Amino acid sequence: GAGVSQSPSNKVTEKGKDVELRCDPISGHTALYWYRQRLGQGLEFLIYFQGNSAPDKSGLPSDRFSAERTGESVSTLTIQRTQQEDSAVYLCASSLEPYWGYNEQFFGPGTRLTVL
Amino acid sequence: DQQVKQNSPSLSVQEGRISILNCDYTNSMFDYFLWYKKYPAEGPTFLISISSIKDKNEDGRFTVFLNKSAKHLSLHIVPSQPGDSAVYFCAASEKSSGDKLTFGTGTRLAVRP
Repeated sequence: GAGVSQSPSNKVTEKGKDVELRCDPISGHTALYWYRQRLGQGLEFLIYFQGNSAPDKSGLPSDRFSAERTGESVSTLTIQRTQQEDSAVYLCASSLEPYWGYNEQFFGPGTRLTVL
Repeated sequence: DQQVKQNSPSLSVQEGRISILNCDYTNSMFDYFLWYKKYPAEGPTFLISISSIKDKNEDGRFTVFLNKSAKHLSLHIVPSQPGDSAVYFCAASEKSSGDKLTFGTGTRLAVRP
């Protein structure tokens, strides 16, 4: 079946512009995560959606970052007034509903964002 | 603060030998630990995991060891193959906080033919 898809694969923008990144999770996956990986760093958690629960936004680095998810499908991550330090690969992952043990997170290929 | 640390940015191993990748963590509330493998221009893919109630989990050529008292885990790959060359990320989760993962910075493994 189809995996997690993300678009665009690459995005170059000018400092101060807004950008919107899209994630299509695996069908049936109720949990959706956004991470980012800056150059030379590990993956950094940003936000987590689980079903109809309030999202866990504890990883968002500033109020310029926001994300939405429509039901249990598409999610968009929006970065307003982009800064050069926002340059990173933004990764989306989805998983089945976590209830016990650990549910594998399936990652998309990421969106490489470059802020000039 | 870096709660999950991989102190070796790179490792080179001869094909057929053992690869040992190490990871240390500081948060004693972590109860699940995972290894992900990443090729260039692809998202990470899950490799193997271990619950904090165990000290070893094996899956084919891959074995993960957990030492809770030392807050240390390691991934052993035996025998190593050239196709194993990738970046390996150690990650941890705290069930009470959902399944969000805290990742290390990765170790780039190169397996020489």
